[in-house]
Amino acid sequence: EIVLTQSPGTLSLSPGERATLSCRASRSLSSNYLAWYQQRAGQAPRLLIFGASSRATGIPDRFTGSGSGTDFTLTISRLEPEDFAVYYCQQYDTSLLFSFGPGTRVDI
Amino acid sequence: QMQLVQSGAEVKKPGSSVKVSCKASGGTFGSYAISWVRQAPGQGLEWMGGIIPILGGTTNYAERFQDRVTITADESTTTAYMELSSLRGDDTAVYYCARVSYDILTGYYSMDVWGRGTTVTVSS
Repeated sequence: EIVLTQSPGTLSLSPGERATLSCRASRSLSSNYLAWYQQRAGQAPRLLIFGASSRATGIPDRFTGSGSGTDFTLTISRLEPEDFAVYYCQQYDTSLLFSFGPGTRVDI
Repeated sequence: QMQLVQSGAEVKKPGSSVKVSCKASGGTFGSYAISWVRQAPGQGLEWMGGIIPILGGTTNYAERFQDRVTITADESTTTAYMELSSLRGDDTAVYYCARVSYDILTGYYSMDVWGRGTTVTVSS
């Protein structure tokens, strides 16, 4: 079973600043089967990035996913007020068994 | 655009079972997999399992739920179900269904449409 760890647990930043979130897998992911989700308080998760670097429909270009193998990064270039939320990375295998990382909270 | 509408909140006794529904509208139900994800209060997201209607209803489950969860789908009503048995207090959570889509251009899967969640409270 692949375990995802995310760091930092909490990121305290201000609007306009750059956020860099890390997701590390316990072993190399097949073909970059990694996605990122945003969850605002009281809401369902929202897909941001799939395939490690492909932006989902309607996601602003300030969100960028990168990485491969075991190390992945979500970068938010300039934080907007609505970006303060919890971010989860997620991996899956060829059998469509999924798992999530523990999340990173981006706080003001 | 497909929407997923989930059933209402439930309060259950320990040891009982709960069955949550997820009705899809506005899309081709059989073309997608459906996953179930739960979130305990103040905690992160936890994948429970999923079903792939286009593959004859093939299911897969997270190991920790293997013995207690059953996921089904009824294509005639475009509804997926998640039943969790032998409920305990730590099963208190919001349960989400999510559509698992396949992107033809990139070859990747992702959960791109989510229901609003169903709160299940387990209490004596």
